Amino acid sequence: ETGVTQSPTHLIKTRGQQVTLRCSSQSGHNTVSWYQQALGQGPQFIFQYYREEENGRGNFPPRFSGLQFPNYSSELNVNALELDDSALYLCASSAGTENTGELFFGEGSRLTVL
Amino acid sequence: QKEVEQDPGPLSVPEGAIVSLNCTYSNSAFQYFMWYRQYSRKGPELLMYTYSSGNKEDGRFTAQVDKSSKYISLFIRDSQPSDSATYLCAMRASSGSARQLTFGSGTQLTVLP
Repeated sequence: ETGVTQSPTHLIKTRGQQVTLRCSSQSGHNTVSWYQQALGQGPQFIFQYYREEENGRGNFPPRFSGLQFPNYSSELNVNALELDDSALYLCASSAGTENTGELFFGEGSRLTVL
Repeated sequence: QKEVEQDPGPLSVPEGAIVSLNCTYSNSAFQYFMWYRQYSRKGPELLMYTYSSGNKEDGRFTAQVDKSSKYISLFIRDSQPSDSATYLCAMRASSGSARQLTFGSGTQLTVLP
């Protein structure tokens, strides 16, 4: 059983650029969530996708957007990058949207915005 | 004020010590409580998962939830150097379709050999 995999692991962008981060969910999981973790902080919920639809969103502006594909993999897109977007971006997968079952995290993509 | 408060530490203990990690929260809708361990530059790993109030034990780890006080704890017995990591509490309400976790800021633990 493969776990959650994310790519790239590290990347550097400049302010104003756009970035796409990718996630492959754990086998059998059809729900993907994205979290942002700033240095020294806990992860913050960005949004969740279930069956290719966004079904929950945290307090993040519209320049944070996402996609989920039929194979349940997912992308996080961030437009007009700002310095404060520098963080570890974590993808987590789970089975279904019901309360049972918990999140399994990937190792993250570390984004640095200069 | 944050919904979930967690002492950031750092906390340093000798090998074999009992470690107590705590979080307080303000949202009474939280029903599911978790503890994650995060090693440096890695993703969080689920350690313990509890529903509502009570205790849950798994090996050297014990999780306690006191909903009346809005307080949760994680105890680590016979701590090992391999337990050195950041420990994150997380919690979630039961209603709604999104499995949105609210995390504490994490406590950095070092277990000295």
